[in-house]
Amino acid sequence: KNEVEQSPQNLTAQEGEFITINCSYSVGISALHWLQQHPGGGIVSLFMLSSGKKKHGRLIATINIQEKHSSLHITASHPRDSAVYICAASPADYGGSQGNLIFGKGTKLSVKP
Amino acid sequence: GAGVSQSPRYKVAKRGQDVALRCDPISGHVSLFWYQQALGQGPEFLTYFQNEAQLDKSGLPSDRFFAERPEGSVSTLKIQRTQQEDSAVYLCASSLARGTNTEAFFGQGTRLTVV
Repeated sequence: KNEVEQSPQNLTAQEGEFITINCSYSVGISALHWLQQHPGGGIVSLFMLSSGKKKHGRLIATINIQEKHSSLHITASHPRDSAVYICAASPADYGGSQGNLIFGKGTKLSVKP
Repeated sequence: GAGVSQSPRYKVAKRGQDVALRCDPISGHVSLFWYQQALGQGPEFLTYFQNEAQLDKSGLPSDRFFAERPEGSVSTLKIQRTQQEDSAVYLCASSLARGTNTEAFFGQGTRLTVV
């Protein structure tokens, strides 16, 4: 079982729809990251959170530490939101080096006009 | 430059050839990470530097993989005697402080194809 699991793997939505991508993790974490990856490989950091909720424009990220679960929401989705969204965990204890991110496999989002 | 820069963007290598992939992190960033991303998969950790010190290389898949960051800035990932299974996108990321508790900035990646 992967330490970071995302669902769904693939998601197709119509422009304007509200989108939710889920992430569950089994390790203790110090932070949880949501990343966006466009075709061509470049990754952009969207959020880093350790509790509660963060909002940036149409994007909202929430985390429930007790349930070890995080969600990424996109309101009023647009075709330019089409990308792979990746959840990644910073382990709380990684031999003291804190040098690792554990990634989910990503959710491929396609928003149709 | 303002972001993390990786070169080359694309590399085609014949099986058995040695390759060197370069990462220029954001100036002043202490932490530098290398990840390997196979097609359709999430990135997987290879190695981590804090300044010039390689604190974790547990993700390097074999002794054909070697990484260095001699002056605590630019890093090179070297793969010797490349094999087809080495074909992947190699991502570099840097962050200002120690570890991954601060925002990580990623490069565009180097897509390596071994033929």
